[in-house]
Amino acid sequence: EVQLVESGGGLVQPGRSMKLSCAASGFTFSSFPMAWVRQAPTKGLEWVATISTSGGSTYYRDSVKGRFTISRDNAKSTLYLQMNSLRSEDTATYYCTEGYGMDAWGQGASVTVSS
Amino acid sequence: DIQMTQSPSFLSASVGDRVTINCKASQNINRYLNWYQQKLGEAPKLLIYNANSLQTGIPSRFSGSGSGTDFTLTISSLQPEDVATYFCLQHNSWYTFGAGTKLELK
Repeated sequence: EVQLVESGGGLVQPGRSMKLSCAASGFTFSSFPMAWVRQAPTKGLEWVATISTSGGSTYYRDSVKGRFTISRDNAKSTLYLQMNSLRSEDTATYYCTEGYGMDAWGQGASVTVSS
Repeated sequence: DIQMTQSPSFLSASVGDRVTINCKASQNINRYLNWYQQKLGEAPKLLIYNANSLQTGIPSRFSGSGSGTDFTLTISSLQPEDVATYFCLQHNSWYTFGAGTKLELK
């Protein structure tokens, strides 16, 4: 059974950094692209970033380009999202997802950006 | 960017009812449309992929149809355990989600 478990969320001040992790199991992690999706309170879901199987290609939505970095460690079956220069509008639950079609999702990690 | 318009945003139905939820894309997305179910406090679960393919383990009362710009998720006979929020995702060009449909029992 595919399992994705996010960690690393919490409360952070504007302008500071936070790193999310997603531990994957139940599938061959290195064979699948991975992505982060977020959902702000009372808002819809939005795609944040995607990484290729090797990690050699990464893609971001415009609003996080230059601030967020998606990465992966295939040896550890773990996906990461380094978030720098955080803004209040980054407050959301962040989900990691598996595959081109986002076949499986974690339960999410809550990130609150507030002073 | 492709926009996804999902309707209705809220739906109340009785056990045994046939329920339909719609998603309309702002441009042709072929069949690159998935449907998900999210129950309170749980991870979203893939129900239908590529518009009409039932994900393994999902009950056959769920079905999907459509192509191009107009898509429908149908629950043929609503069960109590189907109370959830449903949303669509287009993955033809990057990713865009529908706003979600909250389904409750009447």
